[in-house]
Amino acid sequence: DARVTQTPRHKVTEMGQEVTMRCQPILGHNTVFWYRQTMMQGLELLAYFRNRAPLDDSGMPKDRFSAEMPDATLATLKIQPSEPRDSAVYFCASGLVRPKANTEAFFGQGTRLTVV
Amino acid sequence: ELKVEQNPLFLSMQEGKNYTIYCNYSTTSDRLYWYRQDPGKSLESLFVLLSNGAVKQEGRLMASLDTKARLSTLHITAAVHDLSATYFCAVGINSGGSNYKLTFGKGTLLTVNP
Repeated sequence: DARVTQTPRHKVTEMGQEVTMRCQPILGHNTVFWYRQTMMQGLELLAYFRNRAPLDDSGMPKDRFSAEMPDATLATLKIQPSEPRDSAVYFCASGLVRPKANTEAFFGQGTRLTVV
Repeated sequence: ELKVEQNPLFLSMQEGKNYTIYCNYSTTSDRLYWYRQDPGKSLESLFVLLSNGAVKQEGRLMASLDTKARLSTLHITAAVHDLSATYFCAVGINSGGSNYKLTFGKGTLLTVNP
């Protein structure tokens, strides 16, 4: 049963601490997305990767957020230092993007982050 | 910048009734997705629509796409309580080469009452 796996599922941290969220995409998928979901803003695209290369991270606050794919089985999203306004659910999604093909993004269970 | 607008944002309906959720988008796209999210859960893919006039149906849900009008609809037939969830449409844009972004609408919170 192929699925996107995110860890941790829940994280409570103090303001100023570093937070690292991890994502294992579905094997064989070439694209990884990071989304943030809040009540006010809905689902915002933070960054996405194709074949491990960052294609667009314009949705991400550059001063504190960073996203990487050290290998094909792991994507990370780091926040340093964290702030209360970063509290949200962070979703990772993966997909196989091909021209003119039925491309879907499959979502992980999300990491619920609370910064106090 | 691509804008994806869903309406209504909130929908309360009675069991057995029909209703339609609308998704408008501002830029030409060749792919449109519908997702469902239950409270506290992840997003589940419902439909993928890839061409003008595409129609897909699963149970009481039917999705359609009009690329010329930049409009997709999700029609609910004879609603049941189990359909209560938030429904999102998402638009895929190829911004050059293999740069492919998926932008979501705000979602429609559907509540089906007995």
